[in-house]
Amino acid sequence: GEDVEQSLFLSVREGDSSVINCTYTDSSSTYLYWYKQEPGAGLQLLTYIFSNMDMKQDQRLTVLLNKKDKHLSLRIADTQTGDSAIYFCAESSPSNTGKLIFGQGTTLQVKP
Amino acid sequence: DAGVIQSPRHEVTEMGQEVTLRCKPISGHNSLFWYRQTMMRGLELLIYFNNNVPIDDSGMPEDRFSAKMPNASFSTLKIQPSEPRDSAVYFCASRHGTSGVYEQYFGPGTRLTVT
Repeated sequence: GEDVEQSLFLSVREGDSSVINCTYTDSSSTYLYWYKQEPGAGLQLLTYIFSNMDMKQDQRLTVLLNKKDKHLSLRIADTQTGDSAIYFCAESSPSNTGKLIFGQGTTLQVKP
Repeated sequence: DAGVIQSPRHEVTEMGQEVTLRCKPISGHNSLFWYRQTMMRGLELLIYFNNNVPIDDSGMPEDRFSAKMPNASFSTLKIQPSEPRDSAVYFCASRHGTSGVYEQYFGPGTRLTVT
């Protein structure tokens, strides 16, 4: 079945690196995504990775994909207080209808 | 583009009343999604449409919930009668295409409180 799991909470100090982890179940997912939700707002796409890639870097963000273990991680370097938000991992549904399967979200708290 | 537009942004109603939430997707997008977010259950997909046609409504909680998409630029989610456990933030999202990396664009949400 389709299922995405994340830890619920992560707290770091400003300037440290944050690593948010996610596991998924469907090995046929073509793309895996990270969305960010700031307080009082909808979700916004942060980054994505194609399933045939191991790593993708975008400025302070690094996405690592381990297909064998079905594990996805998001690393935020030099975490800032503005990075405080809920981060959702998502996989594309294999039925190719455009549906995304979201995890339950990880709340990142950045302490000054 | 103004992005996905949802109305109202906040709705407070009494148990038993009918509630209608509205969504205008981004022009040119052909997929539309309704989600519900609560602390207890997280983000749940309720229903989604491709080219105005409902594809999967298995996430709709019960018959009190209904959704329509009469044209490419408008969708409604109706709850009748509403109950306190329906209190949540309801998001609408739209997307261009059904394959590839096309991003889902979320609206700001409607915060529904049923007393």
